[in-house]
Amino acid sequence: DGGITQSPKYLFRKEGQNVTLSCEQNLNHDAMYWYRQDPGQGLRLIYYSQIVNDFQKGDIAEGYSVSREKKESFPLTVTSAQKNPTAFYLCASSSRTGSYNEQFFGPGTRLTVL
Amino acid sequence: KQEVTQIPAALSVPEGENLVLNCSFTDSAIYNLQWFRQDPGKGLTSLLLIQSSQREQTSGRLNASLDKSSGRSTLYIAASQPGDSATYLCAVCDTSGTYKYIFGTGTRLKVLA
Repeated sequence: DGGITQSPKYLFRKEGQNVTLSCEQNLNHDAMYWYRQDPGQGLRLIYYSQIVNDFQKGDIAEGYSVSREKKESFPLTVTSAQKNPTAFYLCASSSRTGSYNEQFFGPGTRLTVL
Repeated sequence: KQEVTQIPAALSVPEGENLVLNCSFTDSAIYNLQWFRQDPGKGLTSLLLIQSSQREQTSGRLNASLDKSSGRSTLYIAASQPGDSATYLCAVCDTSGTYKYIFGTGTRLKVLA
């Protein structure tokens, strides 16, 4: 089955800890994205990558970091510099094919700060 | 800067009713517009994608239209069912070459049995 997997489903972080969220896709998509979703605020773009070894900041990149060493993987690290990390994190991918570009999402990771 | 708005924020209808969800965007330079469904605590499921050159797309009981000149899209759901209860989001893909999507905040739909 082709799709996007995210792990873990639930993650608990203590104050001052860095944590890494995993995102893997087997759709052979070039582009991958990380979003944060808070109640009533819709999806906000954290980072995105159009190709391996390249990524750009989105609208709310402060306190987050990413890497794109493989086409199928785009892990997100939530650092201790992120002041309010409790949220639902969604990973997505797309094929970068102009008007046919369709975005697909993983099941999400819910991060809670203890 | 592209902005996407969805009205209403929440909607409650009796089962069997036909309904329309609205999405508006400020910049008509888009590759496409995509409608998603999100169930509580889950990821987004793609429902329909309308390319910038298209006027509408249909899938089962769903029909989405696109009017780029007025910056509007509608999602029509025919004969609504309790299983349609979810949050519906629209997103536009910009043409800057970044393939970024800009999302609306969604319409939370409840279909009453």
